[in-house]
Amino acid sequence: DAGVIQSPRHEVTEMGQEVTLRCKPISGHNSLFWYRQTMMRGLELLIYFNNNVPIDDSGMPEDRFSAKMPNASFSTLKIQPSEPRDSAVYFCASSLEARERGLGAFFGQGTRLTVV
Amino acid sequence: QQQVKQSPQSLIVQKGGISIINCAYENTAFDYFPWYQQFPGKGPALLIAIRPDVSEKKEGRFTISFNKSAKQFSLHIMDSQPGDSATYFCAASPMEYGNKLVFGAGTILRVKS
Repeated sequence: DAGVIQSPRHEVTEMGQEVTLRCKPISGHNSLFWYRQTMMRGLELLIYFNNNVPIDDSGMPEDRFSAKMPNASFSTLKIQPSEPRDSAVYFCASSLEARERGLGAFFGQGTRLTVV
Repeated sequence: QQQVKQSPQSLIVQKGGISIINCAYENTAFDYFPWYQQFPGKGPALLIAIRPDVSEKKEGRFTISFNKSAKQFSLHIMDSQPGDSATYFCAASPMEYGNKLVFGAGTILRVKS
């Protein structure tokens, strides 16, 4: 398996533009997570899906952020409109369900977002 | 609110030495405690994990020690190598949410050769 695949790897956009980050989880995994990493705040969980259903989105910072998981093999994180403070590395991770969690969550390579 | 506190922020160890990173938590609902390793430009990768029903888990040169009463856990890296130089994160998750992880702030480890 190729692991969790994120695209794009790097994104530079102007303030006010819409940004869409994409994630393909590991086949067979049924939990998916979006994390944001910054120097100031570290790794923060934004949203957690289980079986394609959003379970906890309490980490989504504002209404400008939205996430979808239309099927088991694809998820998007959208920021509209983007702001400079959204600049960060965004990670997608996937895992098996709770009883299998000893195997851990597998992270993608991340998308480095820069909003200018 | 920082639910998992990690220290130190950075650590320099000589090759062959022992690296020790400590974490503490408050939420008694946490029942799964993994450690992740992250190299520059990469995503975090699971290193080792422990459940609160054991006090220690060892995998190769990596050992987690867990003190449930003190709500503390630590990572020991024995015979530290330059290739271990990375950022290490402790994490915790509650029993009902699998791998929904709360991360510590991270420790930047540098092993000098």
